[in-house]
Amino acid sequence: NAGVMQNPRHLVRRRGQEARLRCSPMKGHSHVYWYRQLPEEGLKFMVYLQKENIIDESGMPKERFSAEFPKEGPSILRIQQVVRGDSAAYFCASSPPAHSDTQYFGPGTRLTVL
Amino acid sequence: SQQGEEDPQALSIQEGENATMNCSYKTSINNLQWYRQNSGRGLVHLILIRSNEREKHSGRLRVTLDTSKKSSSLLITASRAADTASYFCAADTGTASKLTFGTGTRLQVTL
Repeated sequence: NAGVMQNPRHLVRRRGQEARLRCSPMKGHSHVYWYRQLPEEGLKFMVYLQKENIIDESGMPKERFSAEFPKEGPSILRIQQVVRGDSAAYFCASSPPAHSDTQYFGPGTRLTVL
Repeated sequence: SQQGEEDPQALSIQEGENATMNCSYKTSINNLQWYRQNSGRGLVHLILIRSNEREKHSGRLRVTLDTSKKSSSLLITASRAADTASYFCAADTGTASKLTFGTGTRLQVTL
């Protein structure tokens, strides 16, 4: 059973470009969480999604950031018009349909904005 | 507000010694979890302690939880060089199941 997969692992963008980060949850998991980690800091919650629904987006910046988890395919975190302050590691976690205390984390995508 | 603030921020010990890390949080929790992160890598789940538990063991790990003080500690016994990593506590407050992470303790274990 493959773990949570994220791609790309490293992404470099210039200011103003768009960044798309993908997350494939573990098989059988229908809950996905996105977190952001700035250098030398802990992870900060961004958004919690279930298939085709955003459950909690209280940690998402109001502008430029969006997330989706379609019926088919991976979850996507999209950042439009990136700025240098968006440079961070973005982690995805998944958990199974029944309430689970444990989230399983992917290896992360490291975004660098030049 | 910041949940899960940890201390110390950094800890350097010699192999074979014990390492203790502390975590404080602000609101009620369902459970508290500890994760390890090796430099530049993802997070590995170590152990979970529920709000009605006071102590839990897993191998060389011992976690305590004091809900009256809103604090938890992680003890790693007989440390090894491979334990070198950052350790984070994460509070599950039951709000949409999101985790609120602390700032982490960077542990360095030297030979």
